[in-house]
Amino acid sequence: AQKVTQAQTEISVVEKEDVTLDCVYETRDTTYYLFWYKQPPSGELVFLIRRNSFDEQNEISGRYSWNFQKSTSSFNFTITASQVVDSAVYFCALSEAWGNNDMRFGAGTRLTVKP
Amino acid sequence: DVKVTQSSRYLVKRTGEKVFLECVQDMDHENMFWYRQDPGLGLRLIYFSYDVKMKEKGDIPEGYSVSREKKERFSLILESASTNQTSMYLCASRASGGAFFGEQFFGPGTRLTVL
Repeated sequence: AQKVTQAQTEISVVEKEDVTLDCVYETRDTTYYLFWYKQPPSGELVFLIRRNSFDEQNEISGRYSWNFQKSTSSFNFTITASQVVDSAVYFCALSEAWGNNDMRFGAGTRLTVKP
Repeated sequence: DVKVTQSSRYLVKRTGEKVFLECVQDMDHENMFWYRQDPGLGLRLIYFSYDVKMKEKGDIPEGYSVSREKKERFSLILESASTNQTSMYLCASRASGGAFFGEQFFGPGTRLTVL
């Protein structure tokens, strides 16, 4: 069975600080996909990144970076030089390629960036 | 611009009422999903559909049913609303693609309150 754990319920930082959001997953499949979504106060989930299980390269997109480590079943998300607009709930999610095609979400981490 | 729309942003209903939540996507996606989002629990899958007239139960289908008569529309039905169904309901869609497992696109959500 697939499972995603986001142990950090809430994080509060001051603007310009770096912050890392943790995500640990469980799956029996060798082929799977990991995702991060952002949910701003408006409520609509915004897709940030998808990573398949065969691609362990870390990725950087502007101030965002992702660290995928299969050895520890983790897919952590770092925001560098955080800004107030980064305040949102962030969800990590997992889909097994040969399962029901559904997606398992973590409980989410609420990030508050204070000016 | 891709779009998933939901019929209402806010809805207030009384216990025992039949409630319809509508979701429409304009991306010609095969797969559509209904989630509910509750604090501390993340998103939980209620039902999904991988084709017209096809449906599959998710993790928490009790008290809900769905209908997919047209490819672009996926309806969630609460046969007899109860107070424990007060929640945020999110609809999503995703293309099928074999080896390519794309992200889900989400609607803005419907915040349902059952009194």
